Amino acid sequence: EAGVTQSPTHLIKTRGQQATLRCSPISGHTSVYWYQQALGLGLQFLLWYDEGEERNRGNFPPRFSGRQFPNYSSELNVNALELEDSALYLCASSYEQYFGPGTRLTVT
Amino acid sequence: SQKIEQNSEALNIQEGKTATLTCNYTNYSPAYLQWYRQDPGRGPVFLLLIRENEKEKRKERLKVTFDTTLKQSLFHITASQPADSATYLCALAGGYQKVTFGIGTKLQVIP
Repeated sequence: EAGVTQSPTHLIKTRGQQATLRCSPISGHTSVYWYQQALGLGLQFLLWYDEGEERNRGNFPPRFSGRQFPNYSSELNVNALELEDSALYLCASSYEQYFGPGTRLTVT
Repeated sequence: SQKIEQNSEALNIQEGKTATLTCNYTNYSPAYLQWYRQDPGRGPVFLLLIRENEKEKRKERLKVTFDTTLKQSLFHITASQPADSATYLCALAGGYQKVTFGIGTKLQVIP
């Protein structure tokens, strides 16, 4: 059984640009969770999608958004990038939180 | 506000001993609690889940306890090995599937 996959592995953007990160959950799982982990900090909950709908979001500004597709894969979009958005972005599948390898976003 | 506290400092332990990590929480009534292992630059790996009505859970060399009165979970690794060196995260899941993670405790097992 394939695990959670994320792409790209690394992403380098400049301030003000937009970033798109992708996640595919474990086959059969309908929930996707997104987290931000800045260096030296804990995981901060961003968004939860289930059955194609946004179910909950953390304390992040509206420029963090996303969606879930009919095949349950998900996309996280970060608009108007700021330097402090540099972090490891992790996606997890199902309420048991099986994590993907993450996308390292660097904003310069 | 909801708060999860883990030993923020690293825990050093001799190989073969039992490592005990603590997770305390306040202003929270979790439905369940989870422990994860995270290696540098990698995503966390799920280890164990314990529900609010369970006192203890075991998996191989791992044991988790959950005391909802004390609002505390203890995570034990028996017969620790250098390969157990990593950061261990505790996470609580409460209402509407929102999962809150602690900052983690870095465990170093010394040969």
